[in-house]
This record gives sequence, structure tokens and C-alpha cells, in this order.
Amino acid sequence: SQQGEEDPQALSIQEGENATMNCSYKTSINNLQWYRQNSGRGLVHLILIRSNEREKHSGRLRVTLDTSKKSSSLLITASRAADTASYFCATDSFGNEKLTFGTGTRLTIIP
Amino acid sequence: EPEVTQTPSHQVTQMGQEVILRCVPISNHLYFYWYRQILGQKVEFLVSFYNNEISEKSEIFDDQFSVERPDGSNFTLKIRSTKLEDSAMYFCASLWDSSQPQHFGDGTRLSIL
Repeated sequence: SQQGEEDPQALSIQEGENATMNCSYKTSINNLQWYRQNSGRGLVHLILIRSNEREKHSGRLRVTLDTSKKSSSLLITASRAADTASYFCATDSFGNEKLTFGTGTRLTIIP
Repeated sequence: EPEVTQTPSHQVTQMGQEVILRCVPISNHLYFYWYRQILGQKVEFLVSFYNNEISEKSEIFDDQFSVERPDGSNFTLKIRSTKLEDSAMYFCASLWDSSQPQHFGDGTRLSIL
């Protein structure tokens, strides 16, 4: 698999349910970030987790990082219609801040 | 909150023409980037710029591409002779330091006819 692959590729859930997206990567990282992209729009930064952190929260978002498995998950609790978007993980490495993006998960919240 | 701004939002250009995409990064940021996203694909790194010079470029960033920070506020991407496969969304990003997230602009959709 490529550096930064999300699964599932697409996810549809009912409003109010929780959404979980996963990201796997191949090489050592410094930070892992999650971004949201509404259709045809820019990338909005959601949360950054450092390689020495295991879990981070921001509002309805919870991110976990397992460096032994080279994977991360993004949980959105109590989903809303406005959460409909594509979600990307992106990694950087020590001494190199360029981001390597995953393939993204397209999340659809059904009202 | 400070933002990265990009202009134009949409650029339509004939194949073979030169195009310049413009970005105004966040004012106290030190690192600048261009990425592109071909429709339906992942976001790809093009080039990073620090201390008035390119620090890294990808294989995509060939001799047809150049970047410039002409006046301390703007950061431009020039494609000298556009090809059909240059059609994509181009994102500019800026960064204060490596412990912080990159901030992205809304992108310029480039359409080559």
C-alpha cells in the first residue's frame, strides 16, 4: 500500500451516528494530520498528532495513533450533515515538513 | 484567524500558454509549499520553499515549473508551457514551524484546453 492510505474509501452513515476512518502509512513519521475537504474546496486542518502521542481530542473529533502498526484513526462523534466531506490523513517526517497525503475517505452523512 | 489566500480561484488557459498562480501566505510563516490535486486523486507535493530558495521538489516539478517569492508577501507558481495533464487543483500552503500544521489556501482550479 502507499504511504497514507485511508479506509474505507467511502462511508455513509445516518446523522447522529459516529464515523470512524482509518489511515495507514509506511515510513517513520514526525506528525500525522487530518484534513477535511468539502467538494471542490480547500483543505481545512482538523487535528495534528505527534509521533510520541497516542490520542488527541478536539471537540467531536478523536484521533489515535499507533506507531507500531503505522496507523491512525479519526473518530467523529454525533455526526452532522455538515460533516459530509472527504477526509485525508497526511504525514511528515523528521526534518522534512512536506506532507504526504492519503487517498482519502469520502464521508456522507444522511439526514 | 489569518488565512492563506490564492488567486484566481479558477483559471482557464490554452495548452502551451504560460500561467501564473498566486498565493499570499500567512504573514509570519517561513515555509511555503505548492501541492496539486488532479480530479478524484490524492493531493501531491510539488515544491517546498524556505529562505528564498527551493528546499525540495518532486518529480512532477520539472523544468516547466518555477516558484518565486518576489516581494516578501506573494508566493507564485509559474507553469511555462501548459499541458493538458496540468489540469488540476493547485494548493498553496504555509507553515510557521514543524510543530505546527500547514495552512492551506482554497486552491486554484486550473483547466487546460
